[in-house]
Amino acid sequence: KAGVTQTPRYLIKTRGQQVTLSCSPISGHRSVSWYQQTPGQGLQFLFEYFSETQRNKGNFPGRFSGRQFSNSRSEMNVSTLELGDSALYLCASSSVTGNYGYTFGSGTRLTVV
Amino acid sequence: AQSVTQLGSHVSVSEGALVLLRCNYSSSVPPYLFWYVQYPNQGLQLLLKYTSAATLVKGINGFEAEFKKSETSFHLTKPSAHMSDAAEYFCAVSDDNFNKFYFGSGTKLNVKP
Repeated sequence: KAGVTQTPRYLIKTRGQQVTLSCSPISGHRSVSWYQQTPGQGLQFLFEYFSETQRNKGNFPGRFSGRQFSNSRSEMNVSTLELGDSALYLCASSSVTGNYGYTFGSGTRLTVV
Repeated sequence: AQSVTQLGSHVSVSEGALVLLRCNYSSSVPPYLFWYVQYPNQGLQLLLKYTSAATLVKGINGFEAEFKKSETSFHLTKPSAHMSDAAEYFCAVSDDNFNKFYFGSGTKLNVKP
C-alpha cells in the first residue's frame, strides 16, 4: 500500500509569507503527527491529530497550526515565516496511536529567505 | 517527563565490524522505545520497537536492541556493519498516550570500507 505522502517536497518562501504543507497518511491510518527537524534542535514534535481533533501539541508559537480532514489528510500552516522556520517538516501516521510506531513521509524541505 | 539521550553524535566503524549505538531514556512510566533510521533527504524508517514484551528486540536489516530497565538503556547493535548501514539513527520514547514521540539528537553512523 502507498506510504505517507507529503507535498510539496521542496519550498522556498520569503520572510513574512505563509505556507501550507500537506500530508496524506497511509490508507486506514487516522492519527497524523507533524515534526520539525533542524540541525540545531533535532526532531521536535509540533502536533498530532486524530479524527479531525488535535490531541497533542508541542511547544511552538501560534504561527504554527494544523488541521485534519475527514479523510485523515492533514495540513499544517505556518504564518509570518521567519528565517528560523527553515527546516525539514515530517509527517507521520499511525492507525490509532503510535504505540506500534509511526510511519514517516519523506518530508517537505522548507527554506525561508 | 520522557526524554532520550544518545551518546555520540558520530560513530565510525569498519565494514564487517560490530555496530553499537547507545540510547538511554528517562521515563515516568514503563516506556515504549523505538529506533528509527534516516537516510539523506528521506524521512524516518522504523527499525524496531520495544513494547514491554521480550527485552531483546529484533528489527529489520539485522539490527537488534536490548531493553535494560536497570540501566535505563536501549542500545542498538548489529554484528556486522555494511556500507549500506551508513545513515543517521534516532532513538525515541513515546509519551503515556503514544501520541507524541521524544527523539534523541541522533547518531550518524559512518561505515568505512
